[in-house]
Amino acid sequence: KNEVEQSPQNLTAQEGEFITINCSYSVGISALHWLQQHPGGGIVSLFMLSSGKKKHGRLIATINIQEKHSSLHITASHPRDSAVYICAVWGNQFYFGTGTSLTVIP
Amino acid sequence: NAGVTQTPKFQVLKTGQSMTLQCAQDMNHNSMYWYRQDPGMGLRLIYYSASEGTTDKGEVPNGYNVSRLNKREFSLRLESAAPSQTSVYFCASGEQLDNEQFFGPGTRLTVL
Repeated sequence: KNEVEQSPQNLTAQEGEFITINCSYSVGISALHWLQQHPGGGIVSLFMLSSGKKKHGRLIATINIQEKHSSLHITASHPRDSAVYICAVWGNQFYFGTGTSLTVIP
Repeated sequence: NAGVTQTPKFQVLKTGQSMTLQCAQDMNHNSMYWYRQDPGMGLRLIYYSASEGTTDKGEVPNGYNVSRLNKREFSLRLESAAPSQTSVYFCASGEQLDNEQFFGPGTRLTVL
């Protein structure tokens, strides 16, 4: 049983394209996190959100608590956005999706 | 300000050997976490510590023990390593449970 499901698993885009990554979860949560894992393995936190929408530069994250769904959008994608994007939720502990591997081609 | 540091970066063990993975953070965070990451499985929580002096099991605690030595340090011990414990191990910290997490660089462990 997977508490967090992400789609798609793999995504290839042309530079400049608008990208959407989806996350659905099955547990009650207090917050949802989006993480980025670089090709070298390092992991950084992008967003933490419990309602509505947040924006950092070209990245936008939204969450719909009633539908238990979140999306991560990347506008004007760039090759440096190539990474694995991971959705995580805190129920009574942290649960993680298996990640979406994004490749942006110049 | 080093953030979250982990030692060692790489380790090879034989089945049955023991070892301790070390993690330290210099951000005065209350919460600390140990994860393992396996291909196709994503990150899985092994143990976490909400604050100094407390530890709790996560999703996959079997075969591991932890110590929250002080507010800065959180160690993970494998008493008798098994090939199934071959993985990349990440330590992370955050101000409180469920807050933004800061990750260490990871330890790549191979058990032969």
